[in-house]
Amino acid sequence: EVQLVQSGAEVKKPGESLKISCKGSGYSFTNYWIAWVRQMPGKGLEWMGIIYPGDSDTRYSPSFQGQVTISADKSISTAYLQWSSLKASDTAMYYCARRTGTTEFFDFWGQGTLVTVSS
Amino acid sequence: DIQMTQSPSSVSASVGDRVTITCRASQGISTWLAWYQQKPGKAPKLLIYAASSLQSGVPSRFSGSGSGTDFTLTISRLQPEDFATYYCQQANSFPLTFGGGTKVEIK
Repeated sequence: EVQLVQSGAEVKKPGESLKISCKGSGYSFTNYWIAWVRQMPGKGLEWMGIIYPGDSDTRYSPSFQGQVTISADKSISTAYLQWSSLKASDTAMYYCARRTGTTEFFDFWGQGTLVTVSS
Repeated sequence: DIQMTQSPSSVSASVGDRVTITCRASQGISTWLAWYQQKPGKAPKLLIYAASSLQSGVPSRFSGSGSGTDFTLTISRLQPEDFATYYCQQANSFPLTFGGGTKVEIK
């Protein structure tokens, strides 16, 4: 069974750093791209970027380039999303999602990680 | 960036109704379009990909159509478990973009 299991909810202060994770199982993690998607409170879905764990090839949405870093450790089948300096506007639910084999559709999703940034 | 515009933003319907949601792309995307369903507090779920292909395990009352810039998602006979928010997503080019969502509510 394909599963993406994300790390737990986080409460941080502005200016702090954070790294959240997404662990894949039930499939060959290195062969499928993993995307990160933001959902701000009460709002829609925003694609942040995508990584190919096999070689760490990464693409970012221009809206998020320079704001976050996407990485992966294929040895433990885990993808990451990190911030070096959080802002209150980073408060959101973050989902990881697996891209289907050859197209930019997403067939399996993590359960989401809620990040709250507040002083 | 390709802008995806969904309409309506919300719709009230009854169990058994036929519901149609539209999605328009700001430029042609062939059939590189997906539809997702999201229930409160849950992750999105892929319903339709490549504009009209039904994802495995999704009930056949869901169908998708369209190509180029105009797409539709149809729920033929609304069931209680279908009350949710639906999003379209273009898969034609980076950055990938989603529509603003359509909330299907109980009438």
